[in-house]
Amino acid sequence: GESVGLHLPTLSVQEGDNSIINCAYSNSASDYFIWYKQESGKGPQFIIDIRSNMDKRQGQRVTVLLNKTVKHLSLQIAATQPGDSAVYFCAEAPYSSASKIIFGSGTRLSIRP
Amino acid sequence: ETGVTQTPRHLVMGMTNKKSLKCEQHLGHNAMYWYKQSAKKPLELMFVYSLEERVENNSVPSRFSPECPNSSHLFLHLHTLQPEDSALYLCASSLGMSNTGELFFGEGSRLTVL
Repeated sequence: GESVGLHLPTLSVQEGDNSIINCAYSNSASDYFIWYKQESGKGPQFIIDIRSNMDKRQGQRVTVLLNKTVKHLSLQIAATQPGDSAVYFCAEAPYSSASKIIFGSGTRLSIRP
Repeated sequence: ETGVTQTPRHLVMGMTNKKSLKCEQHLGHNAMYWYKQSAKKPLELMFVYSLEERVENNSVPSRFSPECPNSSHLFLHLHTLQPEDSALYLCASSLGMSNTGELFFGEGSRLTVL
């Protein structure tokens, strides 16, 4: 079946280092990809998105890379801070429809002081 | 402060109880959603409403009954639930359904079924 999955369930990073969270997808029809952040006790929060006609998109301290050849998505967080501790979800949305978003299982990012 | 507000934040109910979860969005969005979040499982879409019309029901058991009286409010009525229904129930909204993937989530209602 088609799925969105994450390579690692947990990631521990030294404060100040860069973090890279990876995600694999299998639906070739997906044309829209999103990263969400969920802090403890809160709902998921939109971080950044990218459409399939792009390879890279940058936000504030975050960069999303899309490799359509190998169906791989990554989220890079520069200069990781304690406030970045959360679970990060990748999601895909075939046909750019909000009602068709499929979420991955999530990666927990923890920050070492 | 989130633009999507859910109440109650925590709910404990017995299997024979009837309770409701409430969601209100202050963002002027036209679409609202209920998601279920269980431990170690991806977010599961339950229901989608667009302009107060239900447009999607992802094979959710009838013991979950959604209601959308207007575009700002969404309810999830709960009746005769099972312990495996214990989860975090998240409400979300979006500007529309097509051509936009940004969902705005509430903080969730943590449900425990005894």
